[in-house]
Amino acid sequence: EPEVTQTPSHQVTQMGQEVILRCVPISNHLYFYWYRQILGQKVEFLVSFYNNEISEKSEIFDDQFSVERPDGSNFTLKIRSTKLEDSAMYFCASRAGTGRSEQYFGPGTRLTVT
Amino acid sequence: KNEVEQSPQNLTAQEGEFITINCSYSVGISALHWLQQHPGGGIVSLFMLSSGKKKHGRLIATINIQEKHSSLHITASHPRDSAVYICAALNFGNEKLTFGTGTRLTIIP
Repeated sequence: EPEVTQTPSHQVTQMGQEVILRCVPISNHLYFYWYRQILGQKVEFLVSFYNNEISEKSEIFDDQFSVERPDGSNFTLKIRSTKLEDSAMYFCASRAGTGRSEQYFGPGTRLTVT
Repeated sequence: KNEVEQSPQNLTAQEGEFITINCSYSVGISALHWLQQHPGGGIVSLFMLSSGKKKHGRLIATINIQEKHSSLHITASHPRDSAVYICAALNFGNEKLTFGTGTRLTIIP
């Protein structure tokens, strides 16, 4: 069964560094998402992406964050100048885009900022 | 802004028991997701529904649009069902999912 994959599974970085989290959505899917879950808290929407542009973003998704689909298969989240409070689990998701289709989630990347 | 609430926050039951987890939301939605999150953190989509009822194996999800309420039922619960169950509401006209806080389910053998 096709699945969303994410790399790395765990990333440790120092405060102030830039990180790129990678996702490979399901191949025929058209809508892509990033979510964040700080330890012990709810999952939060960050951004949705369709047709090579951001379709929606939350208040959390400020200039520190950017997304890209560089090569038609990968979908990346870049976090510039990381802060301690960026430590969280980051989930990628994708959906087919035919009507109201279900989102499929990746296994997540645990980001630890020290 | 949609407020999504789940109850109970924690649920411990004996193997074989019938389980019900509830989800309510404050603003009308286009669809509701039920998700399962395992201890390792990964999220699996169980259901997406916009009306009525869906069944998959021992899992049943129902939604009442007028009452802004959904339930997830597990029949003949098993220790492997132990996980956090999360409901997430999809608002009309946008792509944002608003998540509940989750219900931690523990099934004791």
